[in-house]
Amino acid sequence: EVQLLESGGGLVQPGGSLRLSCAASGFTFSNYGMRWLRQTPGKGLEWVSAISVSGDGTYYTDSVKGRFTISRDNSRDTLYLQMNSLRAEDTAIYYCARGPRGDVDLWGQGALVTVSS
Amino acid sequence: DILLTQSPLSLPVTLGQPASISCRSTQSLYADGNTYLAWFQQRPGQSPRRLIYKVSNRDSGVPDRFSGSGSGTDFTLQISRVEAEDVAVYYCMQGKFWPYTFGQGTKLEIK
Repeated sequence: EVQLLESGGGLVQPGGSLRLSCAASGFTFSNYGMRWLRQTPGKGLEWVSAISVSGDGTYYTDSVKGRFTISRDNSRDTLYLQMNSLRAEDTAIYYCARGPRGDVDLWGQGALVTVSS
Repeated sequence: DILLTQSPLSLPVTLGQPASISCRSTQSLYADGNTYLAWFQQRPGQSPRRLIYKVSNRDSGVPDRFSGSGSGTDFTLQISRVEAEDVAVYYCMQGKFWPYTFGQGTKLEIK
């Protein structure tokens, strides 16, 4: 079955760090660009970051630049999002996703990240 | 950032009747021979699922009662005959300008 499975979400204090992982299965991971998106009741759906097939191209939305780092391990079929200096406004469901340029054709089930003291 | 404006935001529909959702962009989404506009469905408690890509291409497994149309800055998702399983929030998304952006979402409910 083609799927993406996130892990690593949880409760963290403001200023803290968290690393999300996304395990891919059922398809050739190394053939696809990968993305992280997030969803909140207030701001809706938002692209957070994207990474190219090889990992040498990375993109971040302005609000997370310098704080979040996207990476991938094609030998382990796994995508990562290292989140540092977390803020209350980073509280969201984080989705791992797959897709060609400018698109998303597969979503994970989501991981809840809560930033609160 | 590119703003996508969906209307209506709430859409009560009688079973078996058609439904239409509009998505308007502040800039043209055409580039390199493609138009980067997709539609997603999010049922309650689930992750989003893509229905339509590049304006009018239906994803595998998506019922043919769903169709997409439009060009440039104006796009439409149509459901020819609404079924109970179509209760969801529908989002359009542009993939031309980084950061890619979503519309606010349209909540479809059964009247």
